[in-house]
Amino acid sequence: EAQVTQNPRYLITVTGKKLTVTCSQNMNHEYMSWYRQDPGLGLRQIYYSMNVEVTDKGDVPEGYKVSRKEKRNFPLILESPSPNQTSLYFCASSPGPGRNGEQYFGPGTRLTVT
Amino acid sequence: AQSVTQLDSHVSVSEGTPVLLRCNYSSSYSPSLFWYVQHPNKGLQLLLKYTSAATLVKGINGFEAEFKKSETSFHLTKPSAHMSDAAEYFCVVSDRSGYSTLTFGKGTMLLVSP
Repeated sequence: EAQVTQNPRYLITVTGKKLTVTCSQNMNHEYMSWYRQDPGLGLRQIYYSMNVEVTDKGDVPEGYKVSRKEKRNFPLILESPSPNQTSLYFCASSPGPGRNGEQYFGPGTRLTVT
Repeated sequence: AQSVTQLDSHVSVSEGTPVLLRCNYSSSYSPSLFWYVQHPNKGLQLLLKYTSAATLVKGINGFEAEFKKSETSFHLTKPSAHMSDAAEYFCVVSDRSGYSTLTFGKGTMLLVSP
């Protein structure tokens, strides 16, 4: 089954404790991205990757890191989480140029930073 | 630069009555436009897309949207609402040139009453 998986689905952590949210897709998609969703703000893009070893900042990259060492994986790293990063996070992938709007979303990771 | 405005944060309808969710966009390029649906506690799912072919686009679950360049609109409609349509809907714009980023609207919550 074609899908995007994220782990963990729920995470409660404390300020400053490094964490990683994994994302994996099995569709051989070139394009992957991370979003955060906050009430009343819709989805905002954090980082995106056009292919292996190619990443770029989205609208709200501060406090986040990403890497793309393999085509299927695109982990999101919070080196020193803060309470304002409490949010619902989505990973997404799409086939590539001209079709990047056709995104396949993961189920989401709900992160709480206390 | 591109932007999306969803004109209603909430829309309430009765089951069996028509649905209209309004979206206006702004784009410097020839845009691609999308509607995504998010059911409670789920990831986003592509409902339909416009990418320069027919201006009336049909999607899943009986939804349609019409691209009107003169009005810069891409409103989502359905002739008869079903209880299962209750969800949040996002209008999304992307320029069609290669690896562009997506811009999401802030979402419209559709409430369907019996």
